[in-house]
Amino acid sequence: ETGVTQSPTHLIKTRGQQVTLRCSSQSGHNTVSWYQQALGQGPQFIFQYYREEENGRGNFPPRFSGLQFPNYSSELNVNALELDDSALYLCASSLAGSYGYTFGSGTRLTVV
Amino acid sequence: TQLLEQSPQFLSIQEGENLTVYCNSSSVFSSLQWYRQEPGEGPVLLVTVVTGGEVKKLKRLTFQFGDARKDSSLHITAAQPGDTGLYLCAGEADSNYQLIWGAGTKLIIKP
Repeated sequence: ETGVTQSPTHLIKTRGQQVTLRCSSQSGHNTVSWYQQALGQGPQFIFQYYREEENGRGNFPPRFSGLQFPNYSSELNVNALELDDSALYLCASSLAGSYGYTFGSGTRLTVV
Repeated sequence: TQLLEQSPQFLSIQEGENLTVYCNSSSVFSSLQWYRQEPGEGPVLLVTVVTGGEVKKLKRLTFQFGDARKDSSLHITAAQPGDTGLYLCAGEADSNYQLIWGAGTKLIIKP
């Protein structure tokens, strides 16, 4: 059983640019959630996808958007990057109706 | 706004000592999950508690969910250097799908 895979592992972007982060969910899982984790803090919920539709959203602006594909993999897109977007972005997959999430190792995004 | 207050934020103790980490909220959760996170990695699920008053044990780690499902604790007995890491609690509410996270407890066990 494969776990959650995220790519890339590290990324440096310039303020104002756009970025796409990718996530392959664990086999058998149909729900994907994205979290932002600043250094020294707990993760903050960005949004969740189920059946290729956004199933809920946290307190993040519209320039944070996502997609889920038929194979349950997912993308997180961030437009007009700001310095404060620098963080570890975590993808977590789960099976709808069950408890517990499997997290990927994250993508470390640095905006300069 | 749901909040989950985790304490202490930092704990450094000697090998062999016992410790307890607390997560408290004024909100009711359908489940409370505990994760451990290593530097540069994603959180790894340790346990999920779903019933008020539930106690789960994982070797030397004991997890308890409060009777009212608003708080939880993690107790480590005879801590070992391998227990060093960041411990995070996360609550899931009945009405939505997102995890509400505590700020984490950075635990250091000195040999």
